[in-house]
Amino acid sequence: DGGITQSPKYLFRKEGQNVTLSCEQNLNHDAMYWYRQDPGQGLRLIYYSQIVNDFQKGDIAEGYSVSREKKESFPLTVTSAQKNPTAFYLCASSTWGGYATNEKLFFGSGTQLSVL
Amino acid sequence: GQQVMQIPQYQHVQEGEDFTTYCNSSTTLSNIQWYKQRPGGHPVFLIQLVKSGEVKKQKRLTFQFGEAKKNSSLHITATQTTDVGTYFCAGLGGSNYKLTFGKGTLLTVNP
Repeated sequence: DGGITQSPKYLFRKEGQNVTLSCEQNLNHDAMYWYRQDPGQGLRLIYYSQIVNDFQKGDIAEGYSVSREKKESFPLTVTSAQKNPTAFYLCASSTWGGYATNEKLFFGSGTQLSVL
Repeated sequence: GQQVMQIPQYQHVQEGEDFTTYCNSSTTLSNIQWYKQRPGGHPVFLIQLVKSGEVKKQKRLTFQFGEAKKNSSLHITATQTTDVGTYFCAGLGGSNYKLTFGKGTLLTVNP
């Protein structure tokens, strides 16, 4: 059963704590993405990765970090530097055709992060 | 940077009425995608438009891409309760070739 798995579904963070959101895909996609969704704000890109061991900052990368050690996995760490972390976090993947091409995104079911 | 504006933010209709959401980009787009997110769910890809003036249909849904490739629309004919959700457009363009999402239109349908 191919797809993208995000865990946990709900996560709570205490002040000063770093938390890591998991994202795994078995679609054999090269590219993976993290988006943040706030009510009425649409989807904003945090980080993306086109290939293993390489990733790029998106529009709102401050306070977040990522790694891409395996093709299947793209975990996101929300650090204590992110002062307003409460949001719905969506991981996505796609094939990658290079610049000026675009492939459709497949999304995971998301993680709702809240601050205690 | 590139901006994609989407209107309206909310739309409430009676079942059977038509619905349209519009996207406008500050820059010329290479292509545009549309996604639907059901309440409590995740975005699901609907369609991609690439050519200037392109029109595509999926049953009751009609998607258009403007001649200048700076705007797009999604029209639903005779809405049903299953159409409820938020519809997002996402445009590829600008110097960085990243996908930029509109803020979405939340559609609610009264049965």
